[in-house]
Amino acid sequence: DAGVTQSPTHLIKTRGQQVTLRCSPKSGHDTVSWYQQALGQGPQFIFQYYEEEERQRGNFPDRFSGHQFPNYSSELNVNALLLGDSALYLCASSARLSGGATDTQYFGPGTRLTVL
Amino acid sequence: LAKTTQPISMDSYEGQEVNITCSHNNIATNDYITWYQQFPSQGPRFIIQGYKTKVTNEVASLFIPADRKSSTLSLPRVSLSDTAVYYCLVGDLFQKLVFGTGTRLLVSP
Repeated sequence: DAGVTQSPTHLIKTRGQQVTLRCSPKSGHDTVSWYQQALGQGPQFIFQYYEEEERQRGNFPDRFSGHQFPNYSSELNVNALLLGDSALYLCASSARLSGGATDTQYFGPGTRLTVL
Repeated sequence: LAKTTQPISMDSYEGQEVNITCSHNNIATNDYITWYQQFPSQGPRFIIQGYKTKVTNEVASLFIPADRKSSTLSLPRVSLSDTAVYYCLVGDLFQKLVFGTGTRLLVSP
């Protein structure tokens, strides 16, 4: 049973460029959340997708956007990259429970983004 | 969201039992307590989750007192490979995960 997978593993971009990161959830999971983790800090929630819609959003600017596909996989897009966007980007998947709650979130290995 | 407080770092030796305590004085009735482990440049790995009393799995135990204002993650007989950052999170099943800075555990030979 494959866990959460992310691609690419590493990425180098320059300021002002745009980037797309990809995530495939664990089998049986339908909810995908994205997190940003700066060096030495805990992961910070960006947003969560369920049924191809953004359901929750953290304190991140509109430069951060996402998408979820019918097969539950997801993309994170970041426009107009800043040096401060350099971080480990984590995807987590979970199963939706009744009433809108979600089960335990399982994380992928992350994508290391470096902005020069 | 309930705020958590945990030690910044802890040191231990191989074979010892390690207990990491997390304080969450403002925990709400619907909140669960969840612990994750993270190695450098990897995604957090789910360890254990509980609501009250004691939960045990093949990796760890989680002790939660009756008032639920704190919890203790217990790692039996740690090895060098248990060196990692451990995060304590509190929230209900509808909330996004809110990570603090975690506890850096260093296991020495």
